[in-house]
Amino acid sequence: AQSVAQPEDQVNVAEGNPLTVKCTYSVSGNPYLFWYVQYPNRGLQFLLKYITGDNLVKGSYGFEAEFNKSQTSFHLKKPSALVSDSALYFCAVRPPPLYGNKLVFGAGTILRVKS
Amino acid sequence: EAQVTQNPRYLITVTGKKLTVTCSQNMNHEYMSWYRQDPGLGLRQIYYSMNVEVTDKGDVPEGYKVSRKEKRNFPLILESPSPNQTSLYFCASSPASDRSYNEQFFGPGTRLTVL
Repeated sequence: AQSVAQPEDQVNVAEGNPLTVKCTYSVSGNPYLFWYVQYPNRGLQFLLKYITGDNLVKGSYGFEAEFNKSQTSFHLKKPSALVSDSALYFCAVRPPPLYGNKLVFGAGTILRVKS
Repeated sequence: EAQVTQNPRYLITVTGKKLTVTCSQNMNHEYMSWYRQDPGLGLRQIYYSMNVEVTDKGDVPEGYKVSRKEKRNFPLILESPSPNQTSLYFCASSPASDRSYNEQFFGPGTRLTVL
């Protein structure tokens, strides 16, 4: 069965500093990996995804994520955090169609950026 | 504007009183899904639909029903709600259900309280 782990409930970072939100996964086959962000009282918004190819993917709002197959990780990063990046971040994994159709989410990580 | 809409946004009800949460998308998406979000658990899939008249159980389907009579609509039905169904519910859609790498578009959420 596929699963996603976000080991940190909360990440605190100062504005202007780099940020990392961690995600590890377990899935059959080559996974499709996603990051979503949820601002207060809003639905989830898509940030970026990894399908295949370059291990470093770039997404919205200056975020990027690095796929590491050997470590089964897909950490979200940003070189310089903004206060407006404060939100709840979800990592999600979906297996290739041969292995199912479910998108499985991690428990979420709260990112707090302080000025 | 391309969007997923849900109604109602907020609902307080009592145990056993049947309710329906509507979901509609205007993007001609094939795939639609319902999730519930609970603190510390992330998003868990309730039901999903690969296309009209095709629905399947997610990870937590007990106590819920769905139908997909039209491509744009995917209502969530609680025949006899119970307090453990108090949660934040999200509907989502994505194009071409045979392409697992498509990101999902989320509605704004429905906060349900069952007394």
